Amino acid sequence: TQLLEQSPQFLSIQEGENLTVYCNSSSVFSSLQWYRQEPGEGPVLLVTVVTGGEVKKLKRLTFQFGDARKDSSLHITAAQPGDTGLYLCAGAFQAGTALIFGKGTTLSVSS
Amino acid sequence: DTEVTQTPKHLVMGMTNKKSLKCEQHMGHRAMYWYKQKAKKPPELMFVYSYEKLSINESVPSRFSPECPNSSLLNLHLHALQPEDSALYLCASSQDLTGGHGYTFGSGTRLTVV
Repeated sequence: TQLLEQSPQFLSIQEGENLTVYCNSSSVFSSLQWYRQEPGEGPVLLVTVVTGGEVKKLKRLTFQFGDARKDSSLHITAAQPGDTGLYLCAGAFQAGTALIFGKGTTLSVSS
Repeated sequence: DTEVTQTPKHLVMGMTNKKSLKCEQHMGHRAMYWYKQKAKKPPELMFVYSYEKLSINESVPSRFSPECPNSSLLNLHLHALQPEDSALYLCASSQDLTGGHGYTFGSGTRLTVV
């Protein structure tokens, strides 16, 4: 069974702090995606990474894909209350297979 | 149109009822998915359709029956469900099974079985 480990599971911080969420597997990803989900809604795609060592930025969010394509991180700079939500990493281990989701990180940013 | 539309948004059904969840997309995506999500848990894959053919069935009980009438529609027929089947049911689509451009999710159907 291919597992996708995500940490931390819960994160509660103050506005303006920085944070990093990690996603790891013992297997190589063919692609990895990060989603954000708000209560009562479906996940919304933030980014897709496919190339080892890739770094992508989305405003205050920075996504990294490990050189070996077995791990990824999401870094948020100067978190704001609007960043509150469930962050999910999702990976495909083989092209043509459906995404497997990590357990998610519930982020709470208070003002 | 860049959305996946799911209906109904909320559904309460008895254990002897038959109901259907509907999902629609007009993005020309050829892969469509059903996921089940319990509170504070990640989505769990149930079924995958690729080019209107069932591609993956993740050992889901037969009381859940998927159907893909055409490339834009995906249904999930429900019959004789149990209270533990109460969850958020999410539909998603992607350009194809590689999913390289990401999945587009609907807002889900909140199902309660009484």
